[in-house]
Amino acid sequence: EVQLVESGGGLVQPGGSLRLSCAASGFTFSNYGMSWVRQAPGKGLEWVSGISGSGSTTYDADSVRGRFTISRDNSKNTLYLQMNSLRAEDTAVYYCAKTGGYSYAYVASWGQGALVTVSS
Amino acid sequence: DIQMTQSPSSLSASVGDRVTITCRASQGISNYLAWYQQKPGKVPKLLIYAASTLQSGVPSRFSGSGSGTDFTLTVSSLQPEDVATYYCQQCNSAPPTFGGGTKVEIK
Repeated sequence: EVQLVESGGGLVQPGGSLRLSCAASGFTFSNYGMSWVRQAPGKGLEWVSGISGSGSTTYDADSVRGRFTISRDNSKNTLYLQMNSLRAEDTAVYYCAKTGGYSYAYVASWGQGALVTVSS
Repeated sequence: DIQMTQSPSSLSASVGDRVTITCRASQGISNYLAWYQQKPGKVPKLLIYAASTLQSGVPSRFSGSGSGTDFTLTVSSLQPEDVATYYCQQCNSAPPTFGGGTKVEIK
């Protein structure tokens, strides 16, 4: 069974940084692209970043490019999202996502989500 | 970026009704289209990928069709447990954009 467990969410001040982690199990981690998808309170889904199985290729949404960095450690079956220069509009539940294959493929499995609140 | 437009934004239907949700892409995406269901307070769930392939475990009353720019999600006989918001997502090119969602309620 696929399991994705996020950690690292919390309250941070505007301009601050936070790193999310996602521990994956139940599948061969390095064979799949992974993504982060977020959902602001009461809003729809927004894809944030994606990374290939090897980690060699990444993609970012325009809204986070230059501030967020997606990475992975295949030896630890863990996905990361480093978030810098956080803004109030980054407040959301962040979901770790296993794709159907490539970096920006459909989301086959979702984590439970990590809440990030950016507020002073 | 490819824009995904869903319609309607909400609908109310009776149990047993046939319900159809449409999703239109701003440019052709072949069949790189997925549908998700998100029940209130829950994590989204994949229903359909590649426009018409039903994810394992999803009830057969759900079906998807379309190619190019126009797609539909159909629930053949609406059930109370289908109350949710439904999202489409194009996966043809990065960023893989989502539609705005369709909220389905029981009349």
